[in-house]
Amino acid sequence: DGGITQSPKYLFRKEGQNVTLSCEQNLNHDAMYWYRQDPGQGLRLIYYSQIVNDFQKGDIAEGYSVSREKKESFPLTVTSAQKNPTAFYLCASTLNGAKNIQYFGAGTRLSVL
Amino acid sequence: AQKVTQAQTEISVVEKEDVTLDCVYETRDTTYYLFWYKQPPSGELVFLIRRNSFDEQNEISGRYSWNFQKSTSSFNFTITASQVVDSAVYFCALSGSLNSGGYQKVTFGTGTKLQVIP
Repeated sequence: DGGITQSPKYLFRKEGQNVTLSCEQNLNHDAMYWYRQDPGQGLRLIYYSQIVNDFQKGDIAEGYSVSREKKESFPLTVTSAQKNPTAFYLCASTLNGAKNIQYFGAGTRLSVL
Repeated sequence: AQKVTQAQTEISVVEKEDVTLDCVYETRDTTYYLFWYKQPPSGELVFLIRRNSFDEQNEISGRYSWNFQKSTSSFNFTITASQVVDSAVYFCALSGSLNSGGYQKVTFGTGTKLQVIP
């Protein structure tokens, strides 16, 4: 089945550690996105990529990094510079002809040990 | 700047009751799009509907209906005869015009948690 796969489902980070969240899609979508969701808040955009080897900062990019080496993959690294990383992270992609209908993965819940 | 307000943080209804989720938006764009997404306990957001600013016709899909009123900048969502499976967080969202790079930023509301009690 086509879709977006995020892994792992749960992730724990130690102080000073970088962790990487995986996002893979087999929908042949050009654009991919990372959002952060905190309790009682809407989704906030971290990074987005419209094409391979190109990505742009969203509203809260500090402390995060991404890469887009393949169309199918858009991993997010939460660096040690992100002082409050505990949140639910959602990856999304958009239809090539309708760039604002977003399809989401099941998310990764990141906690700090 | 775009803004989406979902004033209802949590709503509880008894199964088979009708429920309306409110959404009020702000934008300076003349062309824009409005969305509703459902986030069940499993976590992923599921796309429900997209409407553009030029189409104010109400839409019905099974037990779901949407009321778009530009005069009040609202895009409300009604579930008729609610069921336990409707329990989820529902997000309203707004997207403006394409920028020069072809990217449309989507602004999400804070969500309304709906609990349907059997």
